[in-house]
Amino acid sequence: GNSVTQMEGPVTLSEEAFLTINCTYTATGYPSLFWYVQYPGEGLQLLLKATKADDKGSNKGFEATYRKETTSFHLEKGSVQVSDSAVYFCALGNQAGTALIFGKGTTLSVSS
Amino acid sequence: DADVTQTPRNRITKTGKRIMLECSQTKGHDRMYWYRQDPGLGLQLIYYSFDVKDINKGEISDGYSVSRQAQAKFSLSLESAIPNQTALYFCATSGQGDQPQHFGDGTRLSIL
Repeated sequence: GNSVTQMEGPVTLSEEAFLTINCTYTATGYPSLFWYVQYPGEGLQLLLKATKADDKGSNKGFEATYRKETTSFHLEKGSVQVSDSAVYFCALGNQAGTALIFGKGTTLSVSS
Repeated sequence: DADVTQTPRNRITKTGKRIMLECSQTKGHDRMYWYRQDPGLGLQLIYYSFDVKDINKGEISDGYSVSRQAQAKFSLSLESAIPNQTALYFCATSGQGDQPQHFGDGTRLSIL
């Protein structure tokens, strides 16, 4: 069945460091891919998405490219800020919209 | 005002009690979902509904029931709460097809 695997955390970085959070998926067909972010005490917010191969989603300085050949959707940011500290979830969608399949989440802590 | 509102935000109760968690939305979406979040496990789908007359089980529906009272309202019930149902519960909505889901801020439920 469909599944998502993302790197385990926590990831601890200094401000202005480069961030990569790895995400790989297993799926039939051509699912949409999402990154969600969860700040402390809040629900999940959509960060970015990509709907087909080679699409690049981007938002707030974060980027991820849908790589069909490597079944990956890695999240990157060139220069993280303290305010980026949160839990990041990679998720896999489907055309039926029955549900998102989430990775287990990666906690990012950024210190000044 | 939040687009997806969950009540209560926090609840502590005892084993065996009946609990209802409520979700309302102003986004006009037909699709609504209930997820459970446990540390290190990501989000797991409990139930979902594509319209008022449609209810579907997710991957962990045992011990839970739902009611879709209106397009904008979707409630989750625990008929007889048990301690391993202690978790963070999220409601989400989405439009048709492979659209992103929009989450409420969650209900933190503790069962003693």
